[in-house]
Amino acid sequence: QKEVEQDPGPLSVPEGAIVSLNCTYSNSAFQYFMWYRQYSRKGPELLMYTYSSGNKEDGRFTAQVDKSSKYISLFIRDSQPSDSATYLCAMSTGGGNKLTFGTGTQLKVEL
Amino acid sequence: GAVVSQHPSWVICKSGTSVKIECRSLDFQATTMFWYRQFPKQSLMLMATSNEGSKATYEQGVEKDKFLINHASLTLSTLTVTSAHPEDSSFYICSARDLRSSYEQYFGPGTRLTVT
Repeated sequence: QKEVEQDPGPLSVPEGAIVSLNCTYSNSAFQYFMWYRQYSRKGPELLMYTYSSGNKEDGRFTAQVDKSSKYISLFIRDSQPSDSATYLCAMSTGGGNKLTFGTGTQLKVEL
Repeated sequence: GAVVSQHPSWVICKSGTSVKIECRSLDFQATTMFWYRQFPKQSLMLMATSNEGSKATYEQGVEKDKFLINHASLTLSTLTVTSAHPEDSSFYICSARDLRSSYEQYFGPGTRLTVT
């Protein structure tokens, strides 16, 4: 079993839709949770960062962490074609420690 | 701010030769840099953690004699793939942790290596 599981997709949604992306994990020592966006043939770009459980909102993006269920989510409101990319969840046991990534979910937002 | 560059962005080499990839933090100092590889449609796999002025720490299964890492300064780390083989063809990405940040890693744009 992988430490971090993420549905690879692809996920196709119409413009304006609310997108829900999720990851589950098995290591209860994970404390830091991140979401990265990666465009094709580019390096990942940090979107959201959350420490421990709870919600965090930044513009159209909301990250949720439920440590009791070992489940994290990223919601994208009013999705745009420019949001089309691969979204990777990542987590670590301590700030600055190595990151363990999910496989990434490929998202396509269509006009 | 927080820009990480990699050079080259794309390289083709012949089997048996060595290739060096550079990772630079352009506007911040990084005591720690990480090297990842990514196969098509797969996630990033950490290869090694490199700290300035000390030996790199390699993940299990990564050959340290094949993937040589040097972190000579607070802004530069290099990865040398020695005696490259076609199975080493992959997308190599580095990240750097800002001295001022306890958690955030900034990623480079990646280097695509093709070994023929």
